[in-house]
This record gives sequence, structure tokens and C-alpha cells, in this order.
Amino acid sequence: SYELTQPPSVSVSPGQTASITCSGNKLGEKYVCWYQQRPGQSPLLVIYQDSQRPSGIPERFSGSNSGNTATLTISGTQAVDEADYYCQPWDSSTSGVFGGGTRLTVL
Amino acid sequence: QVQLQESGPGLVKPSQTLSLTCTVSGGSITSGIYYWSWIRQPAGKGLEWIGRIYTSGTTNYNPSLKSRVTISIDTSKNQFSLSLSSVTAADTAVYFCARDCSKDGFDSWGQGTLVTVSS
Repeated sequence: SYELTQPPSVSVSPGQTASITCSGNKLGEKYVCWYQQRPGQSPLLVIYQDSQRPSGIPERFSGSNSGNTATLTISGTQAVDEADYYCQPWDSSTSGVFGGGTRLTVL
Repeated sequence: QVQLQESGPGLVKPSQTLSLTCTVSGGSITSGIYYWSWIRQPAGKGLEWIGRIYTSGTTNYNPSLKSRVTISIDTSKNQFSLSLSSVTAADTAVYFCARDCSKDGFDSWGQGTLVTVSS
């Protein structure tokens, strides 16, 4: 099965930029989605097709994907952004695989 | 805005079959471009995709669960269902249903339902 690696935790100060990475073999050749999950809530799609934001997702959320690494960037991080974040690649062979998740702490 | 709602028993005995239903509202389950997926999350752990179904009945399953999983669809009721056989404590998790837009991600999720496997 396809292996993905995310850092278990990332810390950021309010107003600063948070970067969460997701690594996998030739990940740049796949589409990547990112999900935010606050405690006790369902996951929320925040990025699809590497860098597209669904309607209602703030502009401070952005994504990129190249080589073996996809990155979720949150600019001007706010306290409400504190959550777990999961990457999910997509192509015909990796549909449904999730990264292990990254806990974002806003200090 | 489509909404999804899981339903089913919250407690299942070991070796028995876990059965859950997801009811879709605010849109038709037969909208041709979507798959419908089940995903689970053990307490304190990450997300695990279980499988998905298309309106035609075509299914795809996680290889690690494939021998125990069946997903079905009832278009007349706008529902799809999960059946997981021979459950053990390791199957204890919150189970989510979600609309699967393939490369566009899982864009709508149910609130999740906790299923505990215990005697």
C-alpha cells in the first residue's frame, strides 16, 4: 500500500505561517487533498487538487505539491486553526489513503 | 447543500457483524459524478478509508478490510450501507460516511457514529 509521512505535530505562534508537509513516493504525480479535523468534529475539506480551496475556506489556507512532498500552508494562523490535519493523495491506485495526521498547535 | 447522517447500533459483540446506514439528504445519491464512502477513526488515531460505492453498485474496498466488508446502496431510499463481519475490539471506532468526489476529495461528511465492539 502507498505510504505517506506527516510530522506528528507542528507549533506556530498566532499570526505566523504554519507549514504542514506530507511525503510520499512521487506524490507530486498525484492530486492531494487536505482535511482539517477539530476535536469531536468530522473532517473538513480545506484543499483539493493540490491547491484549490472549497467555497467557504479562508484564503489563508493554501497548498502545493511537487516531487515527493505536498505542503499545506496557513498564513496568519489563528487560534481557530488549531486542529489535526490530514493529507490524502488521489489517483486511480491510491484513492482513500490518508496520511497519519499532524496536530497543529497555535501557541 | 448535501447532508449525510450515519445510523446503526453503537454496540456490537465480538465475532458479529457491524451494520451501519448513511442517509443522504439535500441531493440525490444517484448524481452521476459521486462515489459514496465509509471511513473510520479509532479513538485518538487517524483516518482509515474502508471502501466506496458508485450508484451503479460498483465497489472498491481497502485491501486490508476487503475480506470482511460489504457496501451496498439503496437509491430508492437515498441510502448506502456498510457491513463489516467478524468484528473484534480493533474495529471499535467512529465511523463516518462521506461523499467521495475522487480527485476533488471527500467534500461532505456525516457527523460520525461511535461503534464499540464489546461483549
